Amino acid sequence: QQPVQSPQAVILREGEDAVINCSSSKALYSVHWYRQKHGEAPVFLMILLKGGEQKGHEKISASFNEKKQQSSLYLTASQLSYSGTYFCGTEIVAGNQFYFGTGTSLTVIP
Amino acid sequence: GAGVSQSPSNKVTEKGKDVELRCDPISGHTALYWYRQRLGQGLEFLIYFQGNSAPDKSGLPSDRFSAERTGESVSTLTIQRTQQEDSAVYLCASSSRDRREKFFGPGTRLTVL
Repeated sequence: QQPVQSPQAVILREGEDAVINCSSSKALYSVHWYRQKHGEAPVFLMILLKGGEQKGHEKISASFNEKKQQSSLYLTASQLSYSGTYFCGTEIVAGNQFYFGTGTSLTVIP
Repeated sequence: GAGVSQSPSNKVTEKGKDVELRCDPISGHTALYWYRQRLGQGLEFLIYFQGNSAPDKSGLPSDRFSAERTGESVSTLTIQRTQQEDSAVYLCASSSRDRREKFFGPGTRLTVL
């Protein structure tokens, strides 16, 4: 039931853009995105509920295609502070188990 | 408290010993989750509590693992007869019924020698 993320790792230069994808084999109620910096706990970025809505947070936004059971996280004009591992998290049913994706390591270099 | 707290922050134990890990969720949060994160790996779902409902234990890797929660407060994850492969960071998260974002505690780093 674990969602699959791609790519596994990406290296960017400051100012470049990136897209991280999250794909599930099951129909989803919601998709969350979290960022985890080394040695720290994951921190919530945003949640998307079924309905195809797109959300934004600073220069980070996401979309959710419920028909394809996929979500994408868009990072634009990346900053050094964006470095970390990004995880999507999925709910199949509201208020049920919550599974994290396989993770994407993002490194932003000067 | 303002956030999720976990104790101890670090635990070193010998193979075969039992350990108890504690999680204090944010007050009023009905949902509580336990995850295991091995070094350099993702977050592995262990168990989920929602209010007074029966917990979802489908992620527990073996019968050596168990967890309890008192109402909508403290939770304890117990690992019996620890093995070296149990070494990991154990993360607890809580969320409220209406806002689904998960708030994580700082984790307990368990090392089994």
